[in-house]
Amino acid sequence: GQSLEQPSEVTAVEGAIVQINCTYQTSGFYGLSWYQQHDGGAPTFLSYNALDGLEETGRFSSFLSRSDSYGYLLLQELQMKDSASYFCAVNRDYKLSFGAGTTVTVRA
Amino acid sequence: GAVVSQHPSWVICKSGTSVKIECRSLDFQATTMFWYRQFPKQSLMLMATSNEGSKATYEQGVEKDKFLINHASLTLSTLTVTSAHPEDSSFYICSARDLKGANTEAFFGQGTRLTVV
Repeated sequence: GQSLEQPSEVTAVEGAIVQINCTYQTSGFYGLSWYQQHDGGAPTFLSYNALDGLEETGRFSSFLSRSDSYGYLLLQELQMKDSASYFCAVNRDYKLSFGAGTTVTVRA
Repeated sequence: GAVVSQHPSWVICKSGTSVKIECRSLDFQATTMFWYRQFPKQSLMLMATSNEGSKATYEQGVEKDKFLINHASLTLSTLTVTSAHPEDSSFYICSARDLKGANTEAFFGQGTRLTVV
């Protein structure tokens, strides 16, 4: 089986930086993905790390350490529209297994 | 990115009836589609993997006779919730991946909110 752990909630103010950590235990690991989901909506892809290191996409960055079974998503220059749930997901071959999600609330 | 269309976006049905949810990949061929279930404030739980032209692969604990999956073409997979009960009320989401290329992104449908009364 597999397990993923991430914080359940994070609250921050506009303009701040938020880091969402994700630790995982799984077999057949191919990479770690991050998805954003607004209330009632579909998950949308944010980032994917197959190798150790940092991937940067605009205000969002993701990091992976395979040896530590650990990754994080960094949200910079937070905006109100970033209030959503963020899921890390382990890629096992062609399947995705999702963490429980982190609810990010951005305050003015 | 690629587009996955899911229909209907919401449905209310009576206990004991069946509901069919469609998932279409609009601009790429999806040999494999995935069906997830999500309860409020919870994670997406993979129910089954739908393979074009063959039987679906169900995750442990998912009743294959209750959640019928058909993947008749490279662009369409359907999930039928048979003899629905109130506990089946949930948000059902499909996703598709283009496994032929190096793209590892999964594209999700809009989701279907099922309410069984």
